[in-house]
Amino acid sequence: DAGVTQSPTHLIKTRGQQVTLRCSPISGHKSVSWYQQVLGQGPQFIFQYYEKEERGRGNFPDRFSARQFPNYSSELNVNALLLGDSALYLCASSLSLADYNEQFFGPGTRLTVL
Amino acid sequence: QKEVEQNSGPLSVPEGAIASLNCTYSDRGSQSFFWYRQYSGKSPELIMSIYSNGDKEDGRFTAQLNKASQYVSLLIRDSQPSDSATYLCAVNLSSGGSYIPTFGRGTSLIVHP
Repeated sequence: DAGVTQSPTHLIKTRGQQVTLRCSPISGHKSVSWYQQVLGQGPQFIFQYYEKEERGRGNFPDRFSARQFPNYSSELNVNALLLGDSALYLCASSLSLADYNEQFFGPGTRLTVL
Repeated sequence: QKEVEQNSGPLSVPEGAIASLNCTYSDRGSQSFFWYRQYSGKSPELIMSIYSNGDKEDGRFTAQLNKASQYVSLLIRDSQPSDSATYLCAVNLSSGGSYIPTFGRGTSLIVHP
């Protein structure tokens, strides 16, 4: 079975631009979460979606937004890019929102902002 | 206060030894705990989950949980150079009806031949 997929793999943007990252969850998984990981740190939670509804939001500015589609895939949008947005963006999927649910990560999108 | 704490390391152990990785957390109500392995330049890979006090074994890996002490650990027996990676501890924190995995900064493990 296919795991979580993300596109693109790498992305280079300049300050002020906008970017859209895409994620497809494991088949049967209905929850998608987005994380930002900078070098030397653990993943930081950005958003969680379940059944197309936002169910959690981390401490990120309004420049960050996301949505989930009827097929459970998801997009993360970042507007007005800053140098500090350079990071590995990770998508993770899980079956549901239950506490015991395990999350599985995609390969990530490495974003570089120049 | 950081919610999930890990020593960043690096932890260096010889091949064949036991590597012990530790994690403490601040939310006494947390019930679900996860260990991920992350190779340099790659995404995190789930190794084990643990929900009850005590030990849980899976091959060379043993997760240990002590909720009273708010402490979770991962033991790797017979460490191999291929185990060299960063190990991330994640704890589910309750938030508005959902559970959000909160990660530590990770411990870098180096297994030398």
